Amino acid sequence: AAGVIQSPRHLIKEKRETATLKCYPIPRHDTVYWYQQGPGQDPQFLISFYEKMQSDKGSIPDRFSAQQFSDYHSELNMSSLELGDSALYFCASSLSSFPDSNQPQHFGDGTRLSIL
Amino acid sequence: GEDVEQSLFLSVREGDSSVINCTYTDSSSTYLYWYKQEPGAGLQLLTYIFSNMDMKQDQRLTVLLNKKDKHLSLRIADTQTGDSAIYFCAEKEDQAGTALIFGKGTTLSVSS
Repeated sequence: AAGVIQSPRHLIKEKRETATLKCYPIPRHDTVYWYQQGPGQDPQFLISFYEKMQSDKGSIPDRFSAQQFSDYHSELNMSSLELGDSALYFCASSLSSFPDSNQPQHFGDGTRLSIL
Repeated sequence: GEDVEQSLFLSVREGDSSVINCTYTDSSSTYLYWYKQEPGAGLQLLTYIFSNMDMKQDQRLTVLLNKKDKHLSLRIADTQTGDSAIYFCAEKEDQAGTALIFGKGTTLSVSS
């Protein structure tokens, strides 16, 4: 079965540079979520989109922005990168069906971002 | 606020049963999940339970939910070395697009 596709798998940047991470959800899934997982940490929610609109916002820095496109893929844009942004960034997708939203989130393999 | 707590480590012998415990605080949570993460890999959904259920079984996995005590457990029968990984408990409100709140994860080590 098709899974969530994230690209690139690995990314190395220097401080103050910008980065764009991409996420392609499972076909027919309409909701995407972004999480950040630091070394030895649990995943922390950044932001989510449902039908191309922001649906929930977590601890996403102002330097980061994201959007969901008409084909439901999503991009996380990161600017003025800092050493502390080094982490594994996960995208997850789900099929949300109102009023019952119990569809579980399925995760991609993540993008490992290293800031030098 | 929302908080999910897990014990950090569990060590078992191959063939034994493993029980990973989790407590949560958000009383509005209606879905509870278990994810598995192997080293350097993504998060694999193992199973989930709706809050009106007490138990769910899926092959070697059994999930028990005590809603009164806000306690969730994952039992892995006949634990194998391939089960060695970090297991995350997560909760989610019953609303589209809302986030999963994860525990810190339990590292399961299986020795042969």
